[in-house]
Amino acid sequence: EVQLVESGGGLVQPGGSLRLSCAASGFTFSSYDMHWVRQATGKGLEWVSAIGTAGDTYYPGSVKGRFTISRENAKNSLYLQMNSLRAEDTAVYYCARVSGGYCSSTSCYEGGAFDIWGQGTMVTVSS
Amino acid sequence: QSALTQEASVSGTVGQKVTLSCTGNSNNIGSYAVGWYQQISHGAPKTVMFGNSLPSGIPDRFSGSKSGTTASLTISGLQPEDEADYYCSTWDYSLSAQVFGGGTKLTVL
Repeated sequence: EVQLVESGGGLVQPGGSLRLSCAASGFTFSSYDMHWVRQATGKGLEWVSAIGTAGDTYYPGSVKGRFTISRENAKNSLYLQMNSLRAEDTAVYYCARVSGGYCSSTSCYEGGAFDIWGQGTMVTVSS
Repeated sequence: QSALTQEASVSGTVGQKVTLSCTGNSNNIGSYAVGWYQQISHGAPKTVMFGNSLPSGIPDRFSGSKSGTTASLTISGLQPEDEADYYCSTWDYSLSAQVFGGGTKLTVL
């Protein structure tokens, strides 16, 4: 069964650090781009970071310089190191797998959609 | 403001066909596969469409399409269990970022 399982969430004080993990199973982890997405209570989904199969990384301005995404293909694992945490980082964090691209009868599109999500891990930043 | 534009709310009756839309530009929807995600009571998102594929276990009353820079999710034969928040998302190469819509709250009357 294709599965993603997050862990590592918890309560941390402002300015603190936390490392999230995402364990992948049922597929060739090294062949897929992976992302972290979060959702604060009552808010929409917010993209947090991405890592390509070649190890290239991407971040939005809200977390750049504070968060680091990484992967360990030998362990089928994705990580998110979160430093200098703020109250506004409080959210459920999900890891997600990017599906491949496709071609319709008229056009071809690169991969940009998530096909698999984890169940999420809660991060609370509070004193 | 979200990079992708979705209706804030849509409603329909049981058995009706409803269509949710997601509008972007040539840098995102025009170039990349779009995903549609269902979220019930703020549980984990569930993918109901990715690119032109229906995930295993998703009823075939769900279908997706794309025309230029607008993607659509159609639910034919609306069911009570379809009531949820629906988000669209894709990659934007000019931003080098994954972009999301603000979400559509689907109510089944």
